Amino acid sequence: GQQVMQIPQYQHVQEGEDFTTYCNSSTTLSNIQWYKQRPGGHPVFLIQLVKSGEVKKQKRLTFQFGEAKKNSSLHITATQTTDVGTYFCAGHSNSGYALNFGKGTSLLVTP
Amino acid sequence: DVKVTQSSRYLVKRTGEKVFLECVQDMDHENMFWYRQDPGLGLRLIYFSYDVKMKEKGDIPEGYSVSREKKERFSLILESASTNQTSMYLCASSFPGYSPLHFGNGTRLTVT
Repeated sequence: GQQVMQIPQYQHVQEGEDFTTYCNSSTTLSNIQWYKQRPGGHPVFLIQLVKSGEVKKQKRLTFQFGEAKKNSSLHITATQTTDVGTYFCAGHSNSGYALNFGKGTSLLVTP
Repeated sequence: DVKVTQSSRYLVKRTGEKVFLECVQDMDHENMFWYRQDPGLGLRLIYFSYDVKMKEKGDIPEGYSVSREKKERFSLILESASTNQTSMYLCASSFPGYSPLHFGNGTRLTVT
């Protein structure tokens, strides 16, 4: 089936440093969604990108969808301890009902 | 606010037992999903349903079955639990198309 790869698996930063996680698909995606899971919690939807080359911002978070609709990134500027958690990307293939998730990037932020 | 409720937060069962995990959503969502989450493996889709009495296999359906008799309820069944089914199970629901998923709090199942 469709593969969604996500790197890095883990990232440990000092508070105030930037952070980026990358998502790559083996096939063209119809959309990309990003979720955040806090430790002990469940994944919570952050944002969806649909258009080729789309960029969206949520405060310190910047989301990009690649021109070929096969990759995406999430960049956090000046991380805070509240950013701790696992970030998942997920996408629908052109023919799929179900969302395919990447394995996630676990972010640890130390003060 | 969307609510997806999973019947148990923690569950301990013995090998060979039949296990039912229940999920109920209150937003009239057509789609419902069961994922399992394991360290280093992310979220893997077990089964999903896009309508009452409809079901589709996900990536790892072996050893599981599902039931959707009513729109708001989606049950995951482990016919004969095994230790390799020890995991966190997450239910989710959504509207059709590319709508975001809303997850329940999860059920941590331990099979001994």
